[in-house]
Amino acid sequence: DVKVTQSSRYLVKRTGEKVFLECVQDMDHENMFWYRQDPGLGLRLIYFSYDVKMKEKGDIPEGYSVSREKKERFSLILESASTNQTSMYLCASSLPPVLAGGPNKYNEQFFGPGTRLTVL
Amino acid sequence: RKEVEQDPGPFNVPEGATVAFNCTYSNSASQSFFWYRQDCRKEPKLLMSVYSSGNEDGRFTAQLNRASQYISLLIRDSKLSDSATYLCVVNMNTGFQKLVFGTGTRLLVSP
Repeated sequence: DVKVTQSSRYLVKRTGEKVFLECVQDMDHENMFWYRQDPGLGLRLIYFSYDVKMKEKGDIPEGYSVSREKKERFSLILESASTNQTSMYLCASSLPPVLAGGPNKYNEQFFGPGTRLTVL
Repeated sequence: RKEVEQDPGPFNVPEGATVAFNCTYSNSASQSFFWYRQDCRKEPKLLMSVYSSGNEDGRFTAQLNRASQYISLLIRDSKLSDSATYLCVVNMNTGFQKLVFGTGTRLLVSP
């Protein structure tokens, strides 16, 4: 079974703090993703990575950065937390399409349990 | 227009009922479509993939209508355990595995 773990289930931080959210997957997946999920807005992609040390901006990267020093670990960093970053953060991983049997057969994304971050 | 749109519900149905959800998408070049299930306070999990005209898995049937740019999910003989939020997910065919998630349709199955 694929397992994606996140460092914390619940986190409370103060405005201006630097926040690290860690994600680890144990299935040797190349692709890793960070999303945030807010009521009425669904899941929105913050950043993704398709290889070690590679990163790409998603739809809402402002205020966030990421780090992928090892294949199994993808970190999300909030340089200076703000109240509008209060949200549920979900990490996901997947194999690349080339291993899925064809260019249109994208692999399932496996999600971690999420971190509910509150910024006061 | 949102890239992926769903009726948020909730859909309240009795056990044993058949229920269907629709989802529309805006990018006509999209090739891959998925339904994910998300239980309350849990992470999303893949329910079904839809690669061509449709897909069936037990009580669940997903259909794709490319001309009208919508996909549907049909659940037959609803169980209490089917109560969850169902997320419509579309690959935007941008050369990378970028999935766009709908906001979800909530289903409540009652005894």
